[in-house]
Amino acid sequence: KAGVTQTPRYLIKTRGQQVTLSCSPISGHRSVSWYQQTPGQGLQFLFEYFSETQRNKGNFPGRFSGRQFSNSRSEMNVSTLELGDSALYLCASSALSSGGQETQYFGPGTRLLVL
Amino acid sequence: EDKVVQSPLSLVVHEGDTVTLNCSYEVTNFRSLLWYKQEKKAPTFLFMLTSSGIEKKSGRLSSILDKKELFSILNITATQTGDSAVYLCAVRGSNTGKLIFGQGTTLQVKP
Repeated sequence: KAGVTQTPRYLIKTRGQQVTLSCSPISGHRSVSWYQQTPGQGLQFLFEYFSETQRNKGNFPGRFSGRQFSNSRSEMNVSTLELGDSALYLCASSALSSGGQETQYFGPGTRLLVL
Repeated sequence: EDKVVQSPLSLVVHEGDTVTLNCSYEVTNFRSLLWYKQEKKAPTFLFMLTSSGIEKKSGRLSSILDKKELFSILNITATQTGDSAVYLCAVRGSNTGKLIFGQGTTLQVKP
């Protein structure tokens, strides 16, 4: 089974621009979560989508948004980029393991640099 | 507010040593605790511990969960240089369902 894929892998933008990141989950997974990872803050949860609906949301400003399509692929959008948005953006898809718990598997991430 | 605290933040050992990484948590309606290993790329899944599975083992790695004292440990025996990585602990509560990550423990294994 192919793993979680993310595109692009690297991105350089300037302040004020917007960016769209894409994530394709493991085949059969219906839940996709997005995280921002920075050296200072560690891994922070952005939001989670399940069956095209946002299920959970972290404490990020409205400039961060996302969506999920019927094939479970997900996109994350950041508008009006700020220098502090430079980070590794990770996507993770979930499988329902036995007992109803969910194990998340991560993609390789998109490294965003805002100049 | 839900939180996960890992200790130590960094650790340097020599090959063959045994290490124990700690993860304590405060979360509403605990559901599961997950351990990940992160090298220079995305985190890779190691273990998931739940109320029905409080001890896991895979090769030289093992982990236990103490739901009463709200902590977990990740144990690595006979460490190798390939074990050098950041080890992340994450906890999921049923109220929000989202994973809360700790800051991670950076492990360096010297030859």
